Amino acid sequence: AQKITQTQPGMFVQEKEAVTLDCTYDTSDPSYGLFWYKQPSSGEMIFLIYQGSYDQQNATEGRYSLNFQKARKSANLVISASQLGDSAMYFCAMRGVSAGGTSYGKLTFGQGTILTVHP
Amino acid sequence: NAGVTQTPKFQVLKTGQSMTLQCAQDMNHEYMSWYRQDPGMGLRLIHYSVGAGITDQGEVPNGYNVSRSTTEDFPLRLLSAAPSQTSVYFCASSPTGTGYGYTFGSGTRLTVV
Repeated sequence: AQKITQTQPGMFVQEKEAVTLDCTYDTSDPSYGLFWYKQPSSGEMIFLIYQGSYDQQNATEGRYSLNFQKARKSANLVISASQLGDSAMYFCAMRGVSAGGTSYGKLTFGQGTILTVHP
Repeated sequence: NAGVTQTPKFQVLKTGQSMTLQCAQDMNHEYMSWYRQDPGMGLRLIHYSVGAGITDQGEVPNGYNVSRSTTEDFPLRLLSAAPSQTSVYFCASSPTGTGYGYTFGSGTRLTVV
């Protein structure tokens, strides 16, 4: 079984500052992938960043980076230089990987964090 | 470049009515899933499929049926709608390899009265 925990229901940040959104996970799968999605007020789900459990380096995608600490089972999202358009709901998610290297079909989500960026 | 297409975008049902939410993807993805999103509860998996002819239950399958006769389509059937099924429903698809996130449809907002 997999579980994702996002302990911050809401976060506030000043424009141009950095913000960290927390995510902890629990799984019995020896290999897994971690994802972050953004959901703006319009409702669509936007894939942001991926981290594999055996990746040696933390993932980065533009202003997004994933602070992956495997021993602590945490996969925090860092947004640098926040913009007003970053105001949205953010979801952390994970899914296991089989011994053959195929991802399992199920993606498990956390409850989300609402980020508000102030001008 | 359609991606994942869900229809309808909005639907109001009366209690006890049945309906099918449609989902189609044109990316030749093997994996497809249905999620429901309720306030404060994130996205919860209803059913998922790892290929044509193969489906399995997720976290909240009761009251819903699925089938996967083709790679492209994965319809979700509400058998007898209940007010507790009022929610936003998302369909998503993904390749089988690691490193790929799910691509989501735009969602269906369902209200059961």
